[in-house]
Amino acid sequence: DQQVKQNSPSLSVQEGRISILNCDYTNSMFDYFLWYKKYPAEGPTFLISISSIKDKNEDGRFTVFLNKSAKHLSLHIVPSQPGDSAVYFCAASAITGTYKYIFGTGTRLKVLA
Amino acid sequence: EAGVAQSPRYKIIEKRQSVAFWCNPISGHATLYWYQQILGQGPKLLIQFQNNGVVDDSQLPKDRFSAERLKGVDSTLKIQPAKLEDSAVYLCASSLERQMSYGYTFGSGTRLTVV
Repeated sequence: DQQVKQNSPSLSVQEGRISILNCDYTNSMFDYFLWYKKYPAEGPTFLISISSIKDKNEDGRFTVFLNKSAKHLSLHIVPSQPGDSAVYFCAASAITGTYKYIFGTGTRLKVLA
Repeated sequence: EAGVAQSPRYKIIEKRQSVAFWCNPISGHATLYWYQQILGQGPKLLIQFQNNGVVDDSQLPKDRFSAERLKGVDSTLKIQPAKLEDSAVYLCASSLERQMSYGYTFGSGTRLTVV
């Protein structure tokens, strides 16, 4: 049962344009969401988070949007840079639970110079 | 601050052999996680420790996998005997207790290949 889904395994974007990565979840108890970025041969690194009391969180070039009614979140990267090329995972957790995160399958972003 | 340390980085073993992975979390992080990431999939939680107690091991295949966290610091994850489907990257992560906003800090992982 895949509770967190990233339906696009890969995405290619021109440098300077916007990258939009999508994530859907099924468990309505999830109330905290993270995006991680992963380079080859490295562990995932935290990128940005959002709690369910917000619908948007921004950090520099990265913005996460949350649509609770649709159980959907997205990560926007503007402008995209070649160094952003990596695998991006979304993860969800229920604060009232054991504080564990359920991860999606990842989207490989390639930013073309 | 030093990151999460894991060793070895790579391991190749034959099926039915045993293997152990080691993790040293960030100093002061009470919560430690072991995740398994199979190629093409997202990380899947195997076990979560709070200090030296197990919080969640619901997805740990207990017939072959075991983990311990002695003195609430370092942790080892063992597989005995290994199967071909255990080939994956094993990620250790740690976090401050009940700190959700920054998620976990992951180590670089151990890539296990079972042949």
